[in-house]
Amino acid sequence: GAGVSQSPSNKVTEKGKDVELRCDPISGHTALYWYRQRLGQGLEFLIYFQGNSAPDKSGLPSDRFSAERTGESVSTLTIQRTQQEDSAVYLCASSPGPWEWAGELFFGEGSRLTVL
Amino acid sequence: RKEVEQDPGPFNVPEGATVAFNCTYSNSASQSFFWYRQDCRKEPKLLMSVYSSGNEDGRFTAQLNRASQYISLLIRDSKLSDSATYLCVVSTGRRALTFGSGTRLQVQP
Repeated sequence: GAGVSQSPSNKVTEKGKDVELRCDPISGHTALYWYRQRLGQGLEFLIYFQGNSAPDKSGLPSDRFSAERTGESVSTLTIQRTQQEDSAVYLCASSPGPWEWAGELFFGEGSRLTVL
Repeated sequence: RKEVEQDPGPFNVPEGATVAFNCTYSNSASQSFFWYRQDCRKEPKLLMSVYSSGNEDGRFTAQLNRASQYISLLIRDSKLSDSATYLCVVSTGRRALTFGSGTRLQVQP
């Protein structure tokens, strides 16, 4: 498809388990972002990848969270030893250029994570 | 203080009404401003950018007041399909775009 693709769309896990969330950005988009949205709240920035530059990890809430990106393609967000407060929708977005480009972010439909 | 603040609403208005939302931002160095729209349980989508001179797109008008550090969105002749959460978004130049928590609009028949 032409849009940002995320998987899984829904994930239910037990507290303490690890989860991996995947994002396929739009082809050719150099920038990729991960945001978290808790129920009824706004988007919380997690991490930003731009080309081959070092990622901006300043939004990651704890060392249980990590993310990787292979070149300018797929990204994986990993949450280790999940806690109930990790329950949220994790949104991935991509854009054709870096944040300085100040253009539109294209979001995927999100991965809804529920930690029991 | 949050970097971007919005009145959460909800704003309940009848069809055809004019409604306005404000958003304040804390960083005076903020460079770029946007309004995004998010439908219930859907991903955010860009509604419009906000330019210094103000700009209009059909029934939607966005304005920026740098001195007071706020941006506004005006919706004229509200439609049922305008019901959504409107997110104020600011680029501070420090990191990725910062999103406000959103203002919920419910247009009623």
